Amino acid sequence: NAGVTQTPKFRILKIGQSMTLQCTQDMNHNYMYWYRQDPGMGLKLIYYSVGAGITDKGEVPNGYNVSRSTTEDFPLRLELAAPSQTSVYFCASSRPVKENEKLFFGSGTQLSVL
Amino acid sequence: AQSVTQPDIHITVSEGASLELRCNYSYGATPYLFWYVQSPGQGLQLLLKYFSGDTLVQGIKGFEAEFKRSQSSFNLRKPSVHWSDAAEYFCAVCSSNTGKLIFGQGTTLQVKP
Repeated sequence: NAGVTQTPKFRILKIGQSMTLQCTQDMNHNYMYWYRQDPGMGLKLIYYSVGAGITDKGEVPNGYNVSRSTTEDFPLRLELAAPSQTSVYFCASSRPVKENEKLFFGSGTQLSVL
Repeated sequence: AQSVTQPDIHITVSEGASLELRCNYSYGATPYLFWYVQSPGQGLQLLLKYFSGDTLVQGIKGFEAEFKRSQSSFNLRKPSVHWSDAAEYFCAVCSSNTGKLIFGQGTTLQVKP
C-alpha cells in the first residue's frame, strides 16, 4: 500500500516557468489537500477537494490551480512561477474527517524558484 | 472565518517539567481539532484529536489536550517532558461542514537537559 505519493521530490524552476506537482493516493480517500510549508509559518492550505470534480480554495490559492478528475489524483499546477512560491509542498488525503482521525501526508516536494 | 492561532512561536522547558502549548481557534460551529508533531526532517504525526464528547482527550506519547468551548481553546499538555519531545507542534482545525482543514503556525519546543 503506497499511501500518498508526491512527485517530484525536488525541483528548481526559473521565474515565469510553469510546472505540475503530482499527487496520487491509493486509499480511496475522498478528501485531498495541498499545503505549503514555509519556515516559521506552519502549513498553509492552498486548495482542497472533498471528492472527484469538487475543489475549493484554501488560505493561499493565488498563483495555483488544481483539478480532481479522479478520486486518486489531485495535481497542483503552478503557472508563471515566482520566487514567493519557493516552499515545501505537501499533499495529504483522508476519509471524511468525521469518519477518520488523521491525514496521510506525502513526503513533500521541495521547490525553489530562482 | 475559520482560523487557528498558536500564540507561542518558541517554548523552552527543562526535561521533566510540565508543558502546555496553547491553541486558539475561530469557527462558527463545533470544530474538529487536532494536534500534530513534526520532528526535524520528518513528516507530521498525529498526537490526538477531538471530535465530540469528553473534552479531555488523551493522545500518544503521554500528551493530552482539553477542549474549552468558552475560551475557543484546545491546549496541549504533558506532565513531564522528555528530551525526545523537542519538535514542532501544530494545532489544526477542521470544518465539520466543508472538510477544510487548516493549521496554526506552529510552536517549536526546545527541551533543556
